[in-house]
Amino acid sequence: ETGVTQTPRHLVMGMTNKKSLKCEQHLGHNAMYWYKQSAKKPLELMFVYSLEERVENNSVPSRFSPECPNSSHLFLHLHTLQPEDSALYLCASSQDYNGNFNYGYTFGSGTRLTVV
Amino acid sequence: GENVEQHPSTLSVQEGDSAVIKCTYSDSASNYFPWYKQELGKRPQLIIDIRSNVGEKKDQRIAVTLNKTAKHFSLHITETQPEDSAVYFCAAGRGSARQLTFGSGTQLTVLP
Repeated sequence: ETGVTQTPRHLVMGMTNKKSLKCEQHLGHNAMYWYKQSAKKPLELMFVYSLEERVENNSVPSRFSPECPNSSHLFLHLHTLQPEDSALYLCASSQDYNGNFNYGYTFGSGTRLTVV
Repeated sequence: GENVEQHPSTLSVQEGDSAVIKCTYSDSASNYFPWYKQELGKRPQLIIDIRSNVGEKKDQRIAVTLNKTAKHFSLHITETQPEDSAVYFCAAGRGSARQLTFGSGTQLTVLP
């Protein structure tokens, strides 16, 4: 275990469902990220939290709603998703030193999301 | 924003041969360039990184080179083994941006 745990590992949900993805890091990092990984596409940054404050939101649709209650936990709340939202959602963490982050990401294993 | 292009998208080599994957970036302020390896069904893992104050870094069979003027960097794997088969991602970042921009990945297959 690398210190970043994501649950669930797999999720199938209907377009009218509401579900949440969870990420937990035990590395003492203070920055956390959500990335979307679709087949044959680059990893797409969705959200960045540094010191529990959202510092980046890359034009992500409002059907994705992040939450960072503390520096160890990150959630992605999902509602009324579309089939094209099916992908692997990866959480990562790093150490952010006043904007000059340590650069090293540690990724979780991801949640494989299928929207039906 | 930063844009990272990665080539080739797929690469097959014979076991024991070398493999080279190349990336270009657009933001001259980027100063950190990591490479991640993602095996099938597993998380991306950092395998090597380089910062803009050096031109080359080596770790056993893997090395990364950086040309800041041309804004490109490359991953070199020598004496490839079947367990090197995976998707490799390059990325570029700068501290003030608090984020990495990834390339589209290269599927490396090492044939026995």
